[in-house]
Amino acid sequence: QAQLQEWGAGLLKPSETLSLTCAVSGGSFADYSWTWIRQSPGKGLEWIGEINPTGTTKYNPSLKSRLIISADMSKRQFSLSLSSVTASDTALYYCARNEPGPRFLIWGQGILVTVSS
Amino acid sequence: DIHMTQSPSTLSASVGDTVTITCRASQDISFWLAWYQQKPGTAPKLLIYRASNLEDGVPSRFSGSGSGTEFTLTISSLQPDDFAIYYCQQCSTYPLTFGGGTKVEIK
Repeated sequence: QAQLQEWGAGLLKPSETLSLTCAVSGGSFADYSWTWIRQSPGKGLEWIGEINPTGTTKYNPSLKSRLIISADMSKRQFSLSLSSVTASDTALYYCARNEPGPRFLIWGQGILVTVSS
Repeated sequence: DIHMTQSPSTLSASVGDTVTITCRASQDISFWLAWYQQKPGTAPKLLIYRASNLEDGVPSRFSGSGSGTEFTLTISSLQPDDFAIYYCQQCSTYPLTFGGGTKVEIK
């Protein structure tokens, strides 16, 4: 059974870049697409974007101008970069594995990112 | 974007009750809907996919139905472990979107 673990900086100042990485252990990395989702009290669950095995990405249009999702198959990791953060980017960030649907069966434990001056 | 509306936002029930949560999509999503359960401090847990398919290991007291724009999640004989927040998610069109959640609390 695959397991996912997020890591990255948990406290940022406005205008900085949010960078998170998700490490995948167990299961196949190359056979799945991988997703970032965030959860904040104000906006609930929000799909951020995903990357597929060929490296093709899909982004939420609301974040697209600031967002990059990438993957390193050799390290079994995928990453999120969100630039020019504001307080509204404060949220619990999850990585997840796409199952056909797409639906999300396997999630990381989540990492809290706070944006504050 | 497809907007997902859940109702009610909070539901008070007792152990043994049967409860129903509704999720409405702003446009036709066929059967492309999933349901999740979330408890405090944990990631959402997938319960149902494609509107009515129970994920492996999920108790059979959970069931889903619907198609098009209206969907329901039913929990029969509510158990203490079922008090949580439930979310629907449309899987039809990107960007994927979630409902605002329904909190099932103890009456």
